[in-house]
Amino acid sequence: AQSVTQPDIHITVSEGASLELRCNYSYGATPYLFWYVQSPGQGLQLLLKYFSGDTLVQGIKGFEAEFKRSQSSFNLRKPSVHWSDAAEYFCAVGYNNDMRFGAGTRLTVKP
Amino acid sequence: DAGVTQSPTHLIKTRGQQVTLRCSPKSGHDTVSWYQQALGQGPQFIFQYYEEEERQRGNFPDRFSGHQFPNYSSELNVNALLLGDSALYLCASRHRRGSGANVLTFGAGSRLTVL
Repeated sequence: AQSVTQPDIHITVSEGASLELRCNYSYGATPYLFWYVQSPGQGLQLLLKYFSGDTLVQGIKGFEAEFKRSQSSFNLRKPSVHWSDAAEYFCAVGYNNDMRFGAGTRLTVKP
Repeated sequence: DAGVTQSPTHLIKTRGQQVTLRCSPKSGHDTVSWYQQALGQGPQFIFQYYEEEERQRGNFPDRFSGHQFPNYSSELNVNALLLGDSALYLCASRHRRGSGANVLTFGAGSRLTVL
């Protein structure tokens, strides 16, 4: 079955520490891949996307993600987390001209 | 340039009632999709509209229906509300063609509470 899996429901990191959020997908072909962020009470904001080409993509707010075909993964990283990064993060796959989302990972940042 | 705008922001209904949510897409976008996001969950695809017709539909019952107008704005209607329909309803828009065709822009959502 086609799916997007975010294995970590909740992650806590200290401010200034590095961050990696995991995402695995199960689709027939190489899909379009996205990471969105959602702050409380807000809609979703696009952080970055991968369509083709260089497997390391840069996004806004200092985030990057790496597409690994062999692992069907598209993990999100940030070298140094800021308190304002606390939010819910969603991995998504472009599917049939629309999107399917993972269940999300909630990020808490400790001072 | 306004992004995707949704109304109302919040609303409370009782079981069995009907609700209509509204969405204006980002300027230049012609395709609108609706998502349901229950508390603690990821968004679930409801349906997509372009050229004033429903083009794709997710796994939602017929109680969920929609409409798209000539100016590309859209409505989501839910009949016979159930407690389980309580959620944040997100509208997203995109270009159907061109470099932006695969990127959705989301509104802030309409939070529906069913009592």
